[in-house]
Amino acid sequence: SQQGEEDPQALSIQEGENATMNCSYKTSINNLQWYRQNSGRGLVHLILIRSNEREKHSGRLRVTLDTSKKSSSLLITASRAADTASYFCATQGGADGLTFGKGTHLIIQP
Amino acid sequence: NAGVMQNPRHLVRRRGQEARLRCSPMKGHSHVYWYRQLPEEGLKFMVYLQKENIIDESGMPKERFSAEFPKEGPSILRIQQVVRGDSAAYFCASSPTGGPGTGELFFGEGSRLTVL
Repeated sequence: SQQGEEDPQALSIQEGENATMNCSYKTSINNLQWYRQNSGRGLVHLILIRSNEREKHSGRLRVTLDTSKKSSSLLITASRAADTASYFCATQGGADGLTFGKGTHLIIQP
Repeated sequence: NAGVMQNPRHLVRRRGQEARLRCSPMKGHSHVYWYRQLPEEGLKFMVYLQKENIIDESGMPKERFSAEFPKEGPSILRIQQVVRGDSAAYFCASSPTGGPGTGELFFGEGSRLTVL
């Protein structure tokens, strides 16, 4: 079964606006990662946040992690058309490998 | 430094045929993961391998599917007697380390299997 569940499933915003995506998970984790997938392409790693971290920044990306609520959020500021993609959260727990959610499909309208 | 290389990028098979998907991990990476993605879905874990060893195959169907990562050469995901439900994108990822401390995975562009 899927560990992470992203919300919303789809999001459409105007260029320049901020985009926020949420991820909830069920079991304890070592870290949580966010990936981006452009249509027809492979996944690209965006950011990793460890279970003992609460917030992390990378360029226009800001990720938060609340282990008490088992949730994470990804904020993309000042969105651009090139940010149009699907975004997945993935959790890394005691087992090997990552468990992915179903993703949020983000559309940035020019 | 080349990334994760997967081939073929697209594969068409008729029901009952065999499909072989290959993955060469990034240089220096000895941990390989295979995932399957259905349209509009997330990635589902299939198998995790290290050189010459299958570490975790809990996501792999018990029948018709097998994977290997030999000492020399690419990792291979093999699907025998394909059925229409096997149509999907199959992604390979690699990492320099594995286990609970695994960090970022590096993904290939995927192999898209279509079963007619």
